[in-house]
Amino acid sequence: DTAVSQTPKYLVTQMGNDKSIKCEQNLGHDTMYWYKQDSKKFLKIMFSYNNKELIINETVPNRFSPKSPDKAHLNLHINSLELGDSAVYFCASSQGEGAGEKLFFGSGTQLSVL
Amino acid sequence: QKEVEQNSGPLSVPEGAIASLNCTYSDRGSQSFFWYRQYSGKSPELIMSIYSNGDKEDGRFTAQLNKASQYVSLLIRDSQPSDSATYLCAVIPSSASKIIFGSGTRLSIRP
Repeated sequence: DTAVSQTPKYLVTQMGNDKSIKCEQNLGHDTMYWYKQDSKKFLKIMFSYNNKELIINETVPNRFSPKSPDKAHLNLHINSLELGDSAVYFCASSQGEGAGEKLFFGSGTQLSVL
Repeated sequence: QKEVEQNSGPLSVPEGAIASLNCTYSDRGSQSFFWYRQYSGKSPELIMSIYSNGDKEDGRFTAQLNKASQYVSLLIRDSQPSDSATYLCAVIPSSASKIIFGSGTRLSIRP
């Protein structure tokens, strides 16, 4: 029983393409997140949604657009991919909205832009 | 100055010894502190949280917090090869409602 699942696990694509990463959680959590982990292992928050509403939107290029059709899903669409977008993207969820809530991470999507 | 700093390692510790991982943070008003473990190619998982000065023990793990020195550490007693992973320190600063992660310390337990 996967708690937070994201697909695909690997994504290799050319510069300029548009791609999406999907995320679903079956924990009944209210808040979902997208994190980016670069090659130096820094894990930085990109977005968070609470009950389908955007609550955190970090300084992320407009090419990145999250979409939450319901509180169990948070997808990430990326337009016009650039080399610098190559990283591992983690979806996560937590029970409440507070930053101190325990985060449950998906297995990650390794994005490689060629 | 980075908000959360950790030595990237690798830190090599013999099996059975105590592994000591350190983290400093810049925001003196920070109130919540966490340690996440991340195995290679896997996602981070929470192993400890600490909110007040002093020690907090959970099995072989002890988190230590010193707010005056803006320092939080993680001790792992009786280190096992399965403890080999990257350990991410995370802090909630007073200025933000989000978690700030350090870049992690890679720990290697040698048999």
